[in-house]
Amino acid sequence: EPEVTQTPSHQVTQMGQEVILRCVPISNHLYFYWYRQILGQKVEFLVSFYNNEISEKSEIFDDQFSVERPDGSNFTLKIRSTKLEDSAMYFCASSRDREAYEQYFGPGTRLTVT
Amino acid sequence: LAKTTQPISMDSYEGQEVNITCSHNNIATNDYITWYQQFPSQGPRFIIQGYKTKVTNEVASLFIPADRKSSTLSLPRVSLSDTAVYYCLVGVNQAGTALIFGKGTTLSVSS
Repeated sequence: EPEVTQTPSHQVTQMGQEVILRCVPISNHLYFYWYRQILGQKVEFLVSFYNNEISEKSEIFDDQFSVERPDGSNFTLKIRSTKLEDSAMYFCASSRDREAYEQYFGPGTRLTVT
Repeated sequence: LAKTTQPISMDSYEGQEVNITCSHNNIATNDYITWYQQFPSQGPRFIIQGYKTKVTNEVASLFIPADRKSSTLSLPRVSLSDTAVYYCLVGVNQAGTALIFGKGTTLSVSS
């Protein structure tokens, strides 16, 4: 069964540093997403991406965040200058259809900002 | 976006059937009802989706009454590995591009 993969599984960084989280969505999916989950809290939507541009972003996705699909397989989330409150699990997801009910999530990257 | 209410937690024993009910009084006509499962330190996983009546797959059944103001996820004969958080989602956000998760129901299965 095809799956979404994410690297690294765990990233530790210092406050103010830039991080790039990587994802490989399922190959025939066209819609891509990033979510995050702070420990013990809800899964929160960050951004959706289609046809090489952002479809929608949440209030969390401020100017410190950016997404990119640098080639035909990878989908990245960059945080330009990390803050302590960015510490969370970051999940990449993809879907085949625009009606985003059935999304396939990756295993996540645990980001720890010290 | 319809507000959902589901129990914070439930306990069960192996082999029992578990029913998790979600209420969504202000569901819109074109909203589908979707359930996701999340194990600790893993991403959510799609379980089942329905619009009305009953849907069954290899994992679970979803019962939706005619008024669609609630839905019940039924897990037959649970095992320890079904211990997880279960989320009831109704519709997507206004732009149709995001899942909006609530706090979910933490199901604990013991032997």
